[in-house]
Amino acid sequence: GQSLEQPSEVTAVEGAIVQINCTYQTSGFYGLSWYQQHDGGAPTFLSYNALDGLEETGRFSSFLSRSDSYGYLLLQELQMKDSASYFCAVSASGGSYIPTFGRGTSLIVHP
Amino acid sequence: GAVVSQHPSRVICKSGTSVKIECRSLDFQATTMFWYRQFPKKSLMLMATSNEGSKATYEQGVEKDKFLINHASLTLSTLTVTSAHPEDSSFYICSATSPGTGKEKLFFGSGTQLSVL
Repeated sequence: GQSLEQPSEVTAVEGAIVQINCTYQTSGFYGLSWYQQHDGGAPTFLSYNALDGLEETGRFSSFLSRSDSYGYLLLQELQMKDSASYFCAVSASGGSYIPTFGRGTSLIVHP
Repeated sequence: GAVVSQHPSRVICKSGTSVKIECRSLDFQATTMFWYRQFPKKSLMLMATSNEGSKATYEQGVEKDKFLINHASLTLSTLTVTSAHPEDSSFYICSATSPGTGKEKLFFGSGTQLSVL
């Protein structure tokens, strides 16, 4: 099976930088993706890492270390609208490459 | 980007009734769609993989007779919660992958909040 661990909650202030970590255990690892979900809304895809290193997309960046089974999502220049839940999801051959989601991290951005 | 439409967004029903939820891919053909269930402040749990023209593949622990999935066309999958009970109350979300993008990129519908009284 697959398991993922991420913090349940993170708080930060507007304009700050925050990092949300994700560790995973799986066999046949293929890639790690990140999704954002606002309360009552649908998850939206943010980023995907299949290879080690940092992927940057605007204010959001995602990092992966396959050897450490670890990744993180980095959010810069935080805005109030970034308050949401962030899920890491692992794709693996054992799960037919369908993303298996972590429990999610609730990010609260304060003024 | 690919758009997935899900209806209804919210439904309240009496215990023992059946509820149908529709999931449509609006601007692409989806041979495979996925149905997830989410409890408040919890993760998305994959219930089943819906395959166009064939039987759905259910995850372990999900009752296939309880949660009927039909994928009759390349743009429509339906989830029917049969004989719903209060414990079936949850947020149900469908998703699909778009041709040309990998399986890791899921496009989600807006979800259906089911409340069974």
